[in-house]
Amino acid sequence: AQSVSQHNHHVILSEAASLELGCNYSYGGTVNLFWYVQYPGQHLQLLLKYFSGDPLVKGIKGFEAEFIKSKFSFNLRKPSVQWSDTAEYFCAANSGSARQLTFGSGTQLTVLP
Amino acid sequence: DTAVSQTPKYLVTQMGNDKSIKCEQNLGHDTMYWYKQDSKKFLKIMFSYNNKELIINETVPNRFSPKSPDKAHLNLHINSLELGDSAVYFCASSQGTGPNQPQHFGDGTRLSIL
Repeated sequence: AQSVSQHNHHVILSEAASLELGCNYSYGGTVNLFWYVQYPGQHLQLLLKYFSGDPLVKGIKGFEAEFIKSKFSFNLRKPSVQWSDTAEYFCAANSGSARQLTFGSGTQLTVLP
Repeated sequence: DTAVSQTPKYLVTQMGNDKSIKCEQNLGHDTMYWYKQDSKKFLKIMFSYNNKELIINETVPNRFSPKSPDKAHLNLHINSLELGDSAVYFCASSQGTGPNQPQHFGDGTRLSIL
């Protein structure tokens, strides 16, 4: 079955620390990968996406993610986090002709000032 | 301008009642979705419509009935509400026929069943 796993449920960092959130997927064939962010009380916003090409994708707000096919991973990174990055982060995927997204369970990031 | 708007934002009601949540998108997208986010923040697809036609219907109780009067609207009607229906319901939309089109989400409707 297709699934997306995020193993870090809650990450707490100090400002200026580097961030890496893990995401693994289990899909056969071509996969499209997304990272969404949900700030407290708000809707999900797209941070970045990978469809094909350069496996290192850059998104908004200084985030980037690397697609590593051999590891079935799409980890989210940011070199220096800010307090305003405190939010819930969701990895998601779809493939083939299926448009609906399968989401991971989310990672709550708390950045301490 | 809100791209994907849902109403109401909050809905508190008693078990057994029937309620509706409305969703409208002004992005000109042709595909719309309903997702359910439970208390543990887990998001799961419920329905998807493309040009007013149902294309995805996950294992959702038949008390939930989506209705799409036109491609800019996808409403969700829920009959005989149960405690387990308490969740945040997100509407989303995307453009095109490919799966790699990013989805735009509404602000969510927080449904609480008393």
